[in-house]
Parts: sequence; C-alpha cells; structure tokens
Amino acid sequence: AQSVTQLGSHVSVSEGALVLLRCNYSSSVPPYLFWYVQYPNQGLQLLLKYTTGATLVKGINGFEAEFKKSETSFHLTKPSAHMSDAAEYFCAVSDQAGTALIFGKGTTLSVSS
Amino acid sequence: NAGVTQTPKFRVLKTGQSMTLLCAQDMNHEYMYWYRQDPGMGLRLIHYSVGEGTTAKGEVPDGYNVSRLKKQNFLLGLESAAPSQTSVYFCASAGVGRENGFFGPGTRLTVL
Repeated sequence: AQSVTQLGSHVSVSEGALVLLRCNYSSSVPPYLFWYVQYPNQGLQLLLKYTTGATLVKGINGFEAEFKKSETSFHLTKPSAHMSDAAEYFCAVSDQAGTALIFGKGTTLSVSS
Repeated sequence: NAGVTQTPKFRVLKTGQSMTLLCAQDMNHEYMYWYRQDPGMGLRLIHYSVGEGTTAKGEVPDGYNVSRLKKQNFLLGLESAAPSQTSVYFCASAGVGRENGFFGPGTRLTVL
C-alpha cells in the first residue's frame, strides 16, 4: 500500500528565506508524486508533479522538488519565500495503475515579514 | 471549459437528514473521485469511479453512497447525516493517464 508522510505539520520562515517542506513516500511500484497548494477557503492547486524522466521538477510560483528514489523523498523547496506563499501544502502519491491520489496530512507554511 | 464544478458550495444539515452532492466535469475524464478534508488529516478518499456505471470504495466509505450514471457526473449521497460527516468535500477527475486529479472548489458541509 502506498503512503505519504509529511514531516512537520507547521513550518515558519521569514520572507526571503529558503522554504523546505519535506515529503517521504512509500510505494511498491515506481510512484507518481505531486505537490498541491491550498489557500484558505479554496480548492487544491497543482504546484508540480513527477512522473518519469528528470528527477528535478520545476513548478509554478518558483517552487521545485527533487525525486530521490534512494531516500524515498520528494521535498519541496523555494529559494526565497514570499508572503503570498503562506498556505497549506499537500504531498501526494499514486502508482502508474493507481486508483487515486494518496495524500499526506499537509504542512502549513507561515511567512513572516 | 469549466473544469470540475461542485454543487452546492455550502450546506448545513441536521442529524439524520439526507442530501446529495453533485460533481460535474466537462473534460471527458474517465476517472472521478470524492475526498473529504478534515483538519490535520489531509484528504481521504471516500469513493471513486473508473468509468460510467462503475464505483468503488475508498479509504473512508462508510455512511456514503455514490453513483456515476453519466460520465460527466459523480454524485455523493449521505443517507442519514451524522456530525462526524462535517467536513469539506472535494471532487476530482482525471484523464486516461491518471497522472493527477483536477479538483473542484469544494463543498463545506456542516451536520448539526
């Protein structure tokens, strides 16, 4: 069975600082991996995804993530945080013949000035 | 192209009442999903459908029923609502590659 663990339910950074949101997955088959962002009282927006190919994936809003098979990780990073990045972030996994996305419990990112 | 739409956006029910949430997609997607989102729990899969006329249980199916009579619609029913079903419900759809889901805006349901 697949699963996702997001380390840290709440991460706080200063504006301009590095953002690092951690995600580890468990999957018996090569995974598809995703990061979604949710702003307050809104739906989910896809930030980026890894399916096959290049392990460093660039997404929207300056975010990127690197698939590391040996570490079973797919951490999300952004070099310089902006106030508008404050939101909840979800990591998700599915398999190639999967039935649905399996989500982590989410990480709330706070950005202070 | 509206993507995935959900009706209603908000609803308040009393314990024991029934209701149906409607999800519609205009992308000709085969796969549709219902999730619920609760604080600290992420999104959990309730039911899903891999095509018109098919449905299957997800992680938390108890207390819910679904139907996929038309390819573009996926209905989620609560026969007898309970306070534990207070949640935000998201519908999603995906194309043949099933690489990811396109999510609807959500329905906020409160059961008193």
